[in-house]
Amino acid sequence: GIQVEQSPPDLILQEGANSTLRCNFSDSVNNLQWFHQNPWGQLINLFYIPSGTKQNGRLSATTVATERYSLLYISSSQTTDSGVYFCAVEQNNDMRFGAGTRLTVKP
Amino acid sequence: EAQVTQNPRYLITVTGKKLTVTCSQNMNHEYMSWYRQDPGLGLRQIYYSMNVEVTDKGDVPEGYKVSRKEKRNFPLILESPSPNQTSLYFCASSLSGSLYGYTFGSGTRLTVV
Repeated sequence: GIQVEQSPPDLILQEGANSTLRCNFSDSVNNLQWFHQNPWGQLINLFYIPSGTKQNGRLSATTVATERYSLLYISSSQTTDSGVYFCAVEQNNDMRFGAGTRLTVKP
Repeated sequence: EAQVTQNPRYLITVTGKKLTVTCSQNMNHEYMSWYRQDPGLGLRQIYYSMNVEVTDKGDVPEGYKVSRKEKRNFPLILESPSPNQTSLYFCASSLSGSLYGYTFGSGTRLTVV
């Protein structure tokens, strides 16, 4: 099946810093989604982004499907951004999640 | 409010005692799925269902059963739980199996002693 790799596995930032999270996948995909798991365990949709660029406030994402990667940008990070960020891909109804990037934002 | 509801949120049980984790969605979604989340492994799919009476194994189906008798419900059954099934479980649904609009439940933290 398709492989999904996320980097870095862990990231510690000072509040106000910017960061880039990466998701690489091993084959062409139909869909790609970024999720945030908050410290209470809830999984929240961030971006549905099979290709192109989207922005929502301080967060933005870019997927380059032809090169099989997606990037999630967090600008001016806040403590509420802490948690685990997952990338998920779908290929012909087969969904795969990466292992996640654990982000800690310190005040 | 559109949502996926899992119950219970927390459960501690003993080895071998059958249990069921319920999952219900109110969005008329055709696709439903169960995942387990373990440290360092992300989310791994246990079972999924494309529609009523249609279920398929995911990556880690051993030790689990599911049923889809109604569109809105997709219970996860552990006939004889073992300690290696201690995990955080998530139910999810979407309209047609796509990641678009993929909605997760709040999770069930299961401990098997």
